[in-house]
Amino acid sequence: QSALTQPRSVSGSPGQSVTISCTGTSSDVGGYNYVSWYQQHPGKAPRLMIYDVSKRPSGVPDRFSGSKSGNTASLTISGLQAEDEADYYCSSYAGSYTWVFGGGTKLTVL
Amino acid sequence: EVQLLESGGGLVQPGGSLTLSCAASGFTFSVHGMIWVRQAPGKGLEWVSTIRTTATYSADSVKGRFTISRDDSKNTLYLQMNSLRAEDTAVYFCARRQFQVYSMDVWGQGTTVTVSS
Repeated sequence: QSALTQPRSVSGSPGQSVTISCTGTSSDVGGYNYVSWYQQHPGKAPRLMIYDVSKRPSGVPDRFSGSKSGNTASLTISGLQAEDEADYYCSSYAGSYTWVFGGGTKLTVL
Repeated sequence: EVQLLESGGGLVQPGGSLTLSCAASGFTFSVHGMIWVRQAPGKGLEWVSTIRTTATYSADSVKGRFTISRDDSKNTLYLQMNSLRAEDTAVYFCARRQFQVYSMDVWGQGTTVTVSS
């Protein structure tokens, strides 16, 4: 149950695109197409942004997209907006109704 | 409105016990798996426990000390925490497992547990 690996921070200017990576193992990210991404603003609850690697829940802007290759998943945010500044966490199903999260990435909109 | 509301957090001494509750509303509670996730101060999210209908699963860090349970008649999820340690200090969130999907689509606002003498 080791945490998935994410960059500590990323940044971008309004209108630009940023990509956040999430690296796991064949027991989690690489073994299942069940990667999710969560957005968390300070002092708030996490919000589901992407599930099943690349699906968006209703209400999530299509500026948010997800992908996966091997043991690494990625979240791309295009057309950055000020309100996108937050912490982002990846998560993967790891079998037997267990989950593992990444350490989180702080997104700064310059 | 779909909602989860946690309660029961507080200050407890090392070795003590605490029970968290999560009241669900706005959806059919009984058909969803439910999950506890915690976040230590300034740290990332950590999966704690999952409950399906009756089957339960817990992280190694809490196995044998924490027990997840549910009362579908009361639409309430619980987390019984025993033998608490300083490292259990965190905000505890309950979350709904998205139906037939391996993600968490609804989250409560969290309740804070502080383990300190």
